[in-house]
Amino acid sequence: GAVVSQHPSWVICKSGTSVKIECRSLDFQATTMFWYRQFPKQSLMLMATSNEGSKATYEQGVEKDKFLINHASLTLSTLTVTSAHPEDSSFYICSASSGDGTDTQYFGPGTRLTVL
Amino acid sequence: GQQLNQSPQSMFIQEGEDVSMNCTSSSIFNTWLWYKQDPGEGPVLLIALYKAGELTSNGRLTAQFGITRKDSFLNISASIPSDVGIYFCAGQLIGNEKLTFGTGTRLTIIP
Repeated sequence: GAVVSQHPSWVICKSGTSVKIECRSLDFQATTMFWYRQFPKQSLMLMATSNEGSKATYEQGVEKDKFLINHASLTLSTLTVTSAHPEDSSFYICSASSGDGTDTQYFGPGTRLTVL
Repeated sequence: GQQLNQSPQSMFIQEGEDVSMNCTSSSIFNTWLWYKQDPGEGPVLLIALYKAGELTSNGRLTAQFGITRKDSFLNISASIPSDVGIYFCAGQLIGNEKLTFGTGTRLTIIP
């Protein structure tokens, strides 16, 4: 149980284009999902908290107009990197909260974004 | 953002050896979590600790929640090749689902 998927697993795009990454909770409903970014050999840094049906809460220093988050259902959240640039190249990981009272987060397998 | 300090940063051990790593914070957390991340994958939860002083095992893994609530350690006994990876601690506060991650400990097993 508590499986989280991400799609795509990797993506290469040209500078200036937009890329959408999906995060799905497969066997549970997640009222809250989280988006992290991880640069090579570094830890996970929280970008934003996504709550179903409401606006995402962004961490300090994360541009909300650049990283658009939509959490339209209890099993799907999307992150769109708009006008991507090479410095946006990173490993993007989502997690979903089980909502079972323990606030346990289950992580997706990540999406490797490379911007040329 | 805030990060928890993990030590050591990396470890090179031989198969069969025991491993010990720890995580410290300048502030208190109510929950400590230990994750393992394989290359190109998301973190996988290993152990969750909810009470100060708690000692919890999961197979060959043992973790403890420090009495001061500002630290935690993870031990791995009799390491095997599949233990290779990066281990992250994470702290969580009551009523706040956000996780604060540690800097990570990279474990390598020398043949």
